[in-house]
Amino acid sequence: EVLLVESGGGLVQPEGSLRLSCVASGFTFSDHHMDWVRQAPGKGLEWIARVRKSARGHTTEYAASVQGRFTISRDDSRNLLVLQMNALKTEDTAVYYCGRSPTGKGPCDTWGQGTMVTVSS
Amino acid sequence: DIQMTQSPSSLSASVGDRVAIICRASQGIDNSLAWFQQKPGKAPKSLIYAASTLESGVPSKFSGSGSGTYFTLTITGLQPEDLGTYYCQQYRNYPFTFGGGTKVEIK
Repeated sequence: EVLLVESGGGLVQPEGSLRLSCVASGFTFSDHHMDWVRQAPGKGLEWIARVRKSARGHTTEYAASVQGRFTISRDDSRNLLVLQMNALKTEDTAVYYCGRSPTGKGPCDTWGQGTMVTVSS
Repeated sequence: DIQMTQSPSSLSASVGDRVAIICRASQGIDNSLAWFQQKPGKAPKSLIYAASTLESGVPSKFSGSGSGTYFTLTITGLQPEDLGTYYCQQYRNYPFTFGGGTKVEIK
């Protein structure tokens, strides 16, 4: 069974930092591009980052809203996806989901259950 | 960035009805479009990719069509378990972008 489990969410003050993790199981993690998507309370989905698979050099893409503040990375030896979030703003408050892309540049077909991040003083 | 516009933003239909959700892209995206279902408090679930290809295990009551800038998700024989919010997403260009969502309610 393909499984993605996020962790690391919590309450953080504005300008603070937080590191989200997503542990993958049930598939060959290194063969897949991986995404982070978020959803602010009562709002829609927002794609924020992708890290490509090893064969594509682990290159990354970001939404403008997080570019320069967030860093997506992966450790294929540990089946681990990471989102390092710095200089957090109140508008970063959201549930953060990790997702797996099964094919090339395609969309995600599987998502984790999400982890809540609250940025507030 | 490519803007994705969904309509309607919400709809209410009866059990057994056929409903259609529209997604328009601000520029051509070929068939690089996915549809997701999200139930309250849950993660998104992938329904369709490449505009019309059903994900494995998704019932055939869901269908997608379109290409370029105009896309449709159709649900035939609406059932109570189909309630939730439906999102389209383009993956033609980065940043990938979602539509604003269509909330489906059962009368």
